[in-house]
This record gives sequence, structure tokens and C-alpha cells, in this order.
Amino acid sequence: EADIYQTPRYLVIGTGKKITLECSQTMGHDKMYWYQQDPGMELHLIHYSYGVNSTEKGDLSSESTVSRIRTEHFPLTLESARPSHTSQYLCASSERSGNRAGEKLFFGSGTQLSVL
Amino acid sequence: AQKVTQAQTEISVVEKEDVTLDCVYETRDTTYYLFWYKQPPSGELVFLIRRNSFDEQNEISGRYSWNFQKSTSSFNFTITASQVVDSAVYFCALSAGRRGTYKYIFGTGTRLKVLA
Repeated sequence: EADIYQTPRYLVIGTGKKITLECSQTMGHDKMYWYQQDPGMELHLIHYSYGVNSTEKGDLSSESTVSRIRTEHFPLTLESARPSHTSQYLCASSERSGNRAGEKLFFGSGTQLSVL
Repeated sequence: AQKVTQAQTEISVVEKEDVTLDCVYETRDTTYYLFWYKQPPSGELVFLIRRNSFDEQNEISGRYSWNFQKSTSSFNFTITASQVVDSAVYFCALSAGRRGTYKYIFGTGTRLKVLA
């Protein structure tokens, strides 16, 4: 049912490298999100977007940045990766509903990032 | 303040046992939505159920059932005759807030291990 894709699935890089995590969805959803999941499983919202050219910071402060130039694409970039950025990054999108509070989220499989 | 509490960090059961995952929420909004998501080892969260605050009917879907009780602010999830494939992390979530400022709050998750 869900058509939301994240690449790469796993990424191991050295400190100081610039990286971009890709997220694409083919469902035409207007709202998209990035969550960071720590080893304790808790999900933290780090970025979201209401649509093209709209980006907002989430509840957890993050050194990453996002862009939304096309509806289907919501990449996340780290200009200079550090070991503290090691985590699982999950991208999600939500369908439009009459009451946006009731929207269900569709998730990608995530990118497991390890910064050495 | 809005909050979701999943007090059970990890539960282990033997196959065919019934298991209940607890979820307690806090919100001052009268209109809100509750969700359960499943995160299998593959990583993506999968939507299981959505319930709005005006619908306290319990729901059953195959071996899954949900008990929503506003009086105790709980939205518990029961798996009957558990199977190994049910092993996953389960998240309860709350979505509430005023129009345009809805927030999606996830609990910390419960890891369920079903042993053969």
C-alpha cells in the first residue's frame, strides 16, 4: 500500500563528510516528515513540510537541513557528519484528510546512519 | 501538555499466549486521534488502527483488538494467540491540537518478542 522510499538503507561514513538521505513518495501526499529514532526506540520529529517550498523544524533540534522542491521528494542533508549523528532516520508522509489531526502516516524503511 | 506513555519497554511471551500492550495518553483537547503502529525488524512503521476521541467502541481485527477507555485515558492493544511474526516494536501515538497546529506524539514503544 505504502509507496515511500528511502535510500540508502545503510550508510557508514567518516566524520566531516557531507551526506544526503533521500526520501521519495509516489502517493502525492502533501505533508512529509523526518523522524530520528534513537537506540531506545523513541521517535523524534526533526523536520516536516506542508508542501512544495515549505519546511519547518520539528521538536528535536537537529543540525540537518531539508528541502522540498518537488512534492514527491524530501531529502535531508548533513553538511558535516559527526558521530553524534549516528541514528536511524525515518521518512514519512501523510494523506490529506478532512481533519488533519486524524491523518495516518506512511513510513519508509529508514536509513541507518553510522558516523565513525 | 500532550503525552503518550507506554510503560512496558519489552514483553516476552510464548507463541499462542495472549498479550496486551498498554497505552496511556494525556491531552486537554476534546478532539483527538489515537493510533497504533507496528515496526517490524525491517524498519518501517506500519499503521494498524486509528480511533477518534468520539468513538469509544472497541475494535477487533482478526487476532488484534483495541480497548479505548476515555475514563482512564487508555488505548490498549491486545494480540490473541500471538505468533512469532508478531514480534516487533509497537508504538502508540496521539494526534491533537488546534487546526493548523496539530502535533503527532509517539510513545516510546513496546518491544514484543514472541518465542516459538
